[in-house]
Amino acid sequence: GNSVTQMEGPVTLSEEAFLTINCTYTATGYPSLFWYVQYPGEGLQLLLKATKADDKGSNKGFEATYRKETTSFHLEKGSVQVSDSAVYFCALSTINAGGTSYGKLTFGQGTILTVHP
Amino acid sequence: DTAVSQTPKYLVTQMGNDKSIKCEQNLGHDTMYWYKQDSKKFLKIMFSYNNKELIINETVPNRFSPKSPDKAHLNLHINSLELGDSAVYFCASSDDRDVSGANVLTFGAGSRLTVL
Repeated sequence: GNSVTQMEGPVTLSEEAFLTINCTYTATGYPSLFWYVQYPGEGLQLLLKATKADDKGSNKGFEATYRKETTSFHLEKGSVQVSDSAVYFCALSTINAGGTSYGKLTFGQGTILTVHP
Repeated sequence: DTAVSQTPKYLVTQMGNDKSIKCEQNLGHDTMYWYKQDSKKFLKIMFSYNNKELIINETVPNRFSPKSPDKAHLNLHINSLELGDSAVYFCASSDDRDVSGANVLTFGAGSRLTVL
C-alpha cells in the first residue's frame, strides 16, 4: 500500500535560517506528490505539488523536487520567516483503476515548524 | 465567502450522545471528503462522496454515517460517541476532472470534537 514518512518534528529555527523537511514515500504506480500546510487553528491548504518525476513544485519561496530514484519529495526554503510557523504535511495520491484518485491522499505524520524572531 | 465551511467549529459532548457535523462547499466541486486528525496531527481519510455517491469508506466504525443530500453538502453523523472519537474532523472537496490524479483538496477549518 501507499505510505509517506516525514522527518520527525518539531523543528525550531531562527528567522532567515534554511529549512529542509524530509519526505519519502512508497506507492504503487506513479503518484502525485503534495505539500500541504496547516496554520494554527486553520484547515490544510495546498502549498505546492508535483505530478511526475523531476518536476519541481514551488510557492511562497518553498520548493520540492519529485525524485523518483530516491522516492523523495523534500521541502526546502532558503530563508524562513516567523509567519512560516505551521504544521507541514507531505502527501501522495495515486490513480485508481477507474482513472481518478478521488482525492484519496495518504498523508505523512506532519512536521511542526516553529520560527523564532 | 468561505469555500468549504463546517459547523460547528467546536463541539463538546458526553459519551454516548449522538452528534452531527455539517459541511458545505460553494466551489462547484463534485467530490467531498471527511478526514480525521488525531491529537498527534495524523490525518486519515474516513469517507469520500462523488456526486452524492459513496466512493471511499475507510474502515470506519458504523457509528459514523455520512450523508450527502446534494453534491455541495456532506454531513457526518456520529452515534454513541466514545472518548476515542475526540479529534478534529476536516471536511474537504475537490474537482476530479483532473485525471492526472493530482487533485487538489480544499479543506474546511475543522470541527474540534471533544467527548467527555
